[in-house]
Amino acid sequence: SAVISQKPSRDICQRGTSLTIQCQVDSQVTMMFWYRQQPGQSLTLIATANQGSEATYESGFVIDKFPISRPNLTFSTLTVSNMSPEDSSIYLCSVEDLGGGEQYFGPGTRLTVT
Amino acid sequence: AQKVTQAQTEISVVEKEDVTLDCVYETRDTTYYLFWYKQPPSGELVFLIRRNSFDEQNEISGRYSWNFQKSTSSFNFTITASQVVDSAVYFCALSEARNTDKLIFGTGTRLQVFP
Repeated sequence: SAVISQKPSRDICQRGTSLTIQCQVDSQVTMMFWYRQQPGQSLTLIATANQGSEATYESGFVIDKFPISRPNLTFSTLTVSNMSPEDSSIYLCSVEDLGGGEQYFGPGTRLTVT
Repeated sequence: AQKVTQAQTEISVVEKEDVTLDCVYETRDTTYYLFWYKQPPSGELVFLIRRNSFDEQNEISGRYSWNFQKSTSSFNFTITASQVVDSAVYFCALSEARNTDKLIFGTGTRLQVFP
């Protein structure tokens, strides 16, 4: 399975600011995904990031709030813009194993907005 | 619409007890995939199993076993002889063939195993 790293692992940010989360994979992958896990809740897909094209956002998530970059096949970033306390969550990136179809997840970024 | 229900919010057991985590799903697709993930206190999500809708054979992996029953739309997970290290939140998830990239997660079951 792919090895996925995320930076930062955690951060505390002030409302109104933005934070960019990085996701690095140790092998080339076609699809990368960004999920949000609000405190005590399940995971919700934010968007799918393909290299060379615009990210595809799920209902309830918009590009202005969560811009995503995918410059190559091993890297993606998610920016949480103009943060409010409601954005306090764990943000996880994942990649799909083309062989088995499983999604493997990074360790997550724990964001607290004050 | 697709949905995954994990009715058990939290389960507590004592070490060496067997425990079953329930998962019920809803989908209109005839081809779909079911998953279980483990999220220990450290927060990372660990993949446990993927099962497609055409394979109803039960699976055993060490102390873990999964029971897939299409007739009841259930994909239950049993841990035999539980250990303290099994303490985690367990998520069941579903993806449909029309959009295999999108995982729909249940709300999770928090398992606490006491020594």
